[in-house]
Formats: sequence, C-alpha cells, structure tokens
Amino acid sequence: GESVGLHLPTLSVQEGDNSIINCAYSNSASDYFIWYKQESGKGPQFIIDIRSNMDKRQGQRVTVLLNKTVKHLSLQIAATQPGDSAVYFCAENPGGGSARQLTFGSGTQLTVLP
Amino acid sequence: EAQVTQNPRYLITVTGKKLTVTCSQNMNHEYMSWYRQDPGLGLRQIYYSMNVEVTDKGDVPEGYKVSRKEKRNFPLILESPSPNQTSLYFCASSPLDRVHGYTFGSGTRLTVV
Repeated sequence: GESVGLHLPTLSVQEGDNSIINCAYSNSASDYFIWYKQESGKGPQFIIDIRSNMDKRQGQRVTVLLNKTVKHLSLQIAATQPGDSAVYFCAENPGGGSARQLTFGSGTQLTVLP
Repeated sequence: EAQVTQNPRYLITVTGKKLTVTCSQNMNHEYMSWYRQDPGLGLRQIYYSMNVEVTDKGDVPEGYKVSRKEKRNFPLILESPSPNQTSLYFCASSPLDRVHGYTFGSGTRLTVV
C-alpha cells in the first residue's frame, strides 16, 4: 500500500519560536488528513484535520497547510511552548472522513529548548 | 470520563506463551482498531472492527487474533508470541462517521523474550 512519510525525524526549536513539521503523502486519492500529537507514555491525541478541498486550516496556535500539487502537508505551531514537546504524526484517510484505515507517518520528535 | 482503557500497560512474556491484551471503550463507538508502534515505522494497523462480530485485517495481522463479541471490548490475542512481536501496542476507537474522533488508549508495552 501507499505510505505517508515525514521529511525530518527530529526538530528542535527555541521556546517562543514557531515550529513547522512537514509530511509527504503519496496516495493521491486521500482526501482527509489529520495531525496527531503523542506525548511520552501516552497515546496519540488529535490536533487538527483538513480535507482536500481546503489548503489551510487554523486552530488554536496551530495551522495545517495542504499542498495537493506536491502532496505535502505541514503543521505550524505558533509560539512553541515546552508542553508542545512530543512526537507529531500525520495521517491520511482515503475514505472521505469515515472511520476507515488510517495510514500514519513515522513521526517527528519536536523538542522545545528553554 | 470518555476513554479507551488498555491492560496491561507493561508485559514481559516468553516465546510461545499465549497472552491477551484487553481494550475497552465507554463511548459507544462502533469502530475499534489495534496498532503496533515500532521505531522508524510509525503506527501500523493490525486489525480493526466496524461493529460487533465484524473484524478485518489491517496491514500486519500475522500472529494476532481479535474478537468483537461486545461493542465496548476488542481484545488482542497473541496465540504464540514471538520476539518480533515485541512492540508498543495501541487500541483506538471512533464513531463510524468521524475518523478524527479516534481516541487512543495509553498503550501496552510488550516484550517477548
């Protein structure tokens, strides 16, 4: 099957700076994408999602950008805080938002430096 | 509190000794799934279930069994564990129509020696 991957396995940023985490996907049929955050010792938690008919979606301090031309997804975290340190996964779903098999990327470890 | 509960959190076992990891959710979700997480490989789906008595294979089902006799429970069974099944396992549940409503359990770290 097709897979979702991440450009960088680790990312370190200074507290207060903005973070950008990237994700490449290969299934052109995927029309729904999700970012998850996984803190140490915990299961992944939903952060934000975006459908393929959008190119940008904003949440609280987070923004997801979708570039379908190059099959690229990014997560931007504004004013990164120590509590943002975690592993971030992108996931794609070809099912239009219904509960079907998600394909996850391998994750990026974000470390926030004091 | 809405949650997915996995047990045990940690388990060390020997090759060939049958084990079961339990998963229970209290949100009346139709969809439940098991994933394993390995370094560099991300989350890979083992089995999933759309509803009671309906289960399907995911990407890596070999060596695992599941059952869905009740809506709230979705146990993962390893009939004859092997060292390559040493991993971190997550159970997740979701309503059928809202995939972003995935709620994950806290994980079970399994070591097979």
